Amino acid sequence: DAGVTQSPTHLIKTRGQHVTLRCSPISGHKSVSWYQQVLGQGPQFIFQYYEKEERGRGNFPDRFSARQFPNYSSELNVNALLLGDSALYLCASTPGPFYNSPLHFGNGTRLTVT
Amino acid sequence: AQRVTQPEKLLSVFKGAPVELKCNYSYSGSPELFWYVQYSRQRLQLLLRHISRESIKGFTADLNKGETSFHLKKPFAQEEDSAMYYCATHRYTGANSKLTFGKGITLSVRP
Repeated sequence: DAGVTQSPTHLIKTRGQHVTLRCSPISGHKSVSWYQQVLGQGPQFIFQYYEKEERGRGNFPDRFSARQFPNYSSELNVNALLLGDSALYLCASTPGPFYNSPLHFGNGTRLTVT
Repeated sequence: AQRVTQPEKLLSVFKGAPVELKCNYSYSGSPELFWYVQYSRQRLQLLLRHISRESIKGFTADLNKGETSFHLKKPFAQEEDSAMYYCATHRYTGANSKLTFGKGITLSVRP
């Protein structure tokens, strides 16, 4: 039973660069959410996508964008990277758009911006 | 804006001792509340949610609307309970859905 998979697992970028993180949900799950987790903090909501449409957006600048593909996989893009973007980026999937069913998390992508 | 507060960062207890992990929320409306747990080297996963009114691994959590709290409790802690615990609340407005997490608390159960 493949869980939520994220790639890459680790990434090092320099300030000003662009990064793309990828996520594949559990088979049959149509909703993908993205979270940023800074060391010592809880996950902070970035986006939710359901059926390729944005269903929720957190308080992040426009440098952050995402999309969902017809196979329900998703990409998170971050432009003009800042040192403060260094964090663990988590992807989670659910069958539908609501959180009354459990979020299934991936292992995350550790992004380091130097 | 919805907010989740976990006032403590660390709780250390001996095996067999009672555990209470505190969570307070601020939310206008009917909240949906959850506890998520992350064991060492494992993924973040759902522990329990208030609408289910269930006990998972001996843990329970009661929603207290008067105190706006959703504390997680277990009468007798086990070493395998050592983990990071996050309280979270869900808000759904129209087409916008958002899950907000607290900062988390580390539970350490000593033998």
